[in-house]
Amino acid sequence: EVQLVESGGGLVQPGGSLRLSCAASGFTFNNYEMNWVRQAPGKGLEWLSYISESGGNMYYADSVKGRFIISRDSAKNSLYLQMNSLRAEDTAVYYCARATYYYDSGGYCIDYWGQGTLVTVSS
Amino acid sequence: EIVLTQSPGTLSLSPGERATLSCRASQIVGTTYLAWHQQKPGQAPRLLIYGASTRATGIPDRFSGSGSGTDFTLTISSLEPEDFAVYYCQQYGNAPPWTFGQGTKVEMK
Repeated sequence: EVQLVESGGGLVQPGGSLRLSCAASGFTFNNYEMNWVRQAPGKGLEWLSYISESGGNMYYADSVKGRFIISRDSAKNSLYLQMNSLRAEDTAVYYCARATYYYDSGGYCIDYWGQGTLVTVSS
Repeated sequence: EIVLTQSPGTLSLSPGERATLSCRASQIVGTTYLAWHQQKPGQAPRLLIYGASTRATGIPDRFSGSGSGTDFTLTISSLEPEDFAVYYCQQYGNAPPWTFGQGTKVEMK
């Protein structure tokens, strides 16, 4: 069974930093692209960042580019999100999400989500 | 960046009724790289449909997706009590950025 378990959320002051982790199990972590997606309270979903299976390619949404860094550790089957210079508008539930390449239709589609971890940026 | 606009914002229906949800893209979505995700309150989203029309593993056949280009539809043929939730369309592809629609809430009438 695919499991993605996020941790590391909490209350942080504006301008502060936080590192989120996502522990993956139930699949061969090295074979999948991974993502971070967030959801502000009462709002919709916002894709934030993507890392290729090798870790060699990373992409970011404009809203977090230059402030957030995605990384992965294959030995630990873990995904990370280093969040710096946090702002009030970064307050959200942060989801770790796996992407699968579907050969019948092409493209990397998010197919599994973690339960999320809440980050609150407030003084 | 492709902007996805979902309509209606809220759909009020009764169990057994048919639900039709729309997702319109600001530009052509390549090769039907369009997915639908379901989210229930307090839960993580779940993938329902990818490739615009292919059901993900374990998804009941009352869920169907259609469309291409810029106009896509998710249809729930006969609503079950567990289907009342928020539904998001998402465009994806071979590389990000990827975007989500703002969501359609299907609520019980």
